[in-house]
Amino acid sequence: EPEVTQTPSHQVTQMGQEVILRCVPISNHLYFYWYRQILGQKVEFLVSFYNNEISEKSEIFDDQFSVERPDGSNFTLKIRSTKLEDSAMYFCASTGTGGSYEQYFGPGTRLTVT
Amino acid sequence: EDQVTQSPEALRLQEGESSSLNCSYTVSGLRGLFWYRQDPGKGPEFLFTLYSAGEEKEKERLKATLTKKESFLHITAPKPEDSATYLCAVPLRYSSASKIIFGSGTRLSIRP
Repeated sequence: EPEVTQTPSHQVTQMGQEVILRCVPISNHLYFYWYRQILGQKVEFLVSFYNNEISEKSEIFDDQFSVERPDGSNFTLKIRSTKLEDSAMYFCASTGTGGSYEQYFGPGTRLTVT
Repeated sequence: EDQVTQSPEALRLQEGESSSLNCSYTVSGLRGLFWYRQDPGKGPEFLFTLYSAGEEKEKERLKATLTKKESFLHITAPKPEDSATYLCAVPLRYSSASKIIFGSGTRLSIRP
């Protein structure tokens, strides 16, 4: 069964460093998303991406964040200068076409900023 | 304000003891409602989509129902492997690019 994959599963970085989180969405999907979940809190939306541009972004998704689809399979989230409060699980998701809104999530990357 | 609220926060059941989880929502025009299962340290796993009041979906021991203001996830004769956090979520726009907002989840624990 097709699934969303994410790498790495765990990333530890120092405050101020740049990180790139990687995702491979389901192969025939066209809509891509990033969400995050701070420990013990709700899953919260960061950004949606379609046709090589951002469709929607939340207030959390400020200038420190960027997304890219560098090739036909990968979808990345970059955080330019990490802060302690960026520590969270980051989930990538994707949706197909045909009017379906279901979003399928990857296993997540646990980001720890020290 | 668009909001999704789930109750109870946590539920402990004996194996075989049926129960229901609740999700109430306040969004301006429902565009569908999703149920997900989340295991500790993992991503949400899609279970169901419900689009209109009166709709029901079933999968193994789970049945999801939808009214105009809330959704229920009924679990019949649960097993320990059903232990997980169950999340309810709604999309905010009629678009596949729409953000979805999640409830806080119900942590379900099934004792053997």
